[in-house]
Amino acid sequence: DAGITQSPRHKVTETGTPVTLRCHQTENHRYMYWYRQDPGHGLRLIHYSYGVKDTDKGEVSDGYSVSRSKTEDFLLTLESATSSQTSVYFCAISERGQGGYTFGSGTRLTVV
Amino acid sequence: DAKTTQPTSMDCAEGRAANLPCNHSTISGNEYVYWYRQIHSQGPQYIIHGLKNNETNEMASLIITEDRKSSTLILPHATLRDTAVYYCIVGTFQAGNNRKLIWGLGTSLAVNP
Repeated sequence: DAGITQSPRHKVTETGTPVTLRCHQTENHRYMYWYRQDPGHGLRLIHYSYGVKDTDKGEVSDGYSVSRSKTEDFLLTLESATSSQTSVYFCAISERGQGGYTFGSGTRLTVV
Repeated sequence: DAKTTQPTSMDCAEGRAANLPCNHSTISGNEYVYWYRQIHSQGPQYIIHGLKNNETNEMASLIITEDRKSSTLILPHATLRDTAVYYCIVGTFQAGNNRKLIWGLGTSLAVNP
């Protein structure tokens, strides 16, 4: 995906441990988003950012926190991972307004 | 924000047009219709969006009915690489409003040789 990179691509972690996922963009876009995707559900918004240090909650934000200290990086932290947070996590970016999002390739997280 | 209804799955022959329908009968006047697709294990890919008028780009055409209660995404010459799940979403993708967007389960399109 042009200009947006997620890391790691895969991670297995134990219940109760903190986990941080990273989204890095080279497009200098203002808006960044974290989604999760689970079988039987559509994409669900976790958190989003509308600028450096400006973030807000999505519909499934419990158990997650985010930080954006510079334009290009948006971090998603699972404060204490639970099995219900096993999912595929997608980061997305957009410049503004009504245009479409550009999504990253995803991070597959398994909490055991 | 409005919710959409899409068929669960569709088939299309390679080289033929794929017409993917979407019903959004509760759409509001300021809500756009967006189409994305997701090829297996990849992130969703933006295809096209529109408000009232029909739209066309290099990937597809979007036909919106006059009453805006339904739309059709047209892939004019489907290829095997168009096999994917296609999502129709209505609303606005502006930050602050995007938390209300509902991503359903989409239509799984299989393009057959």
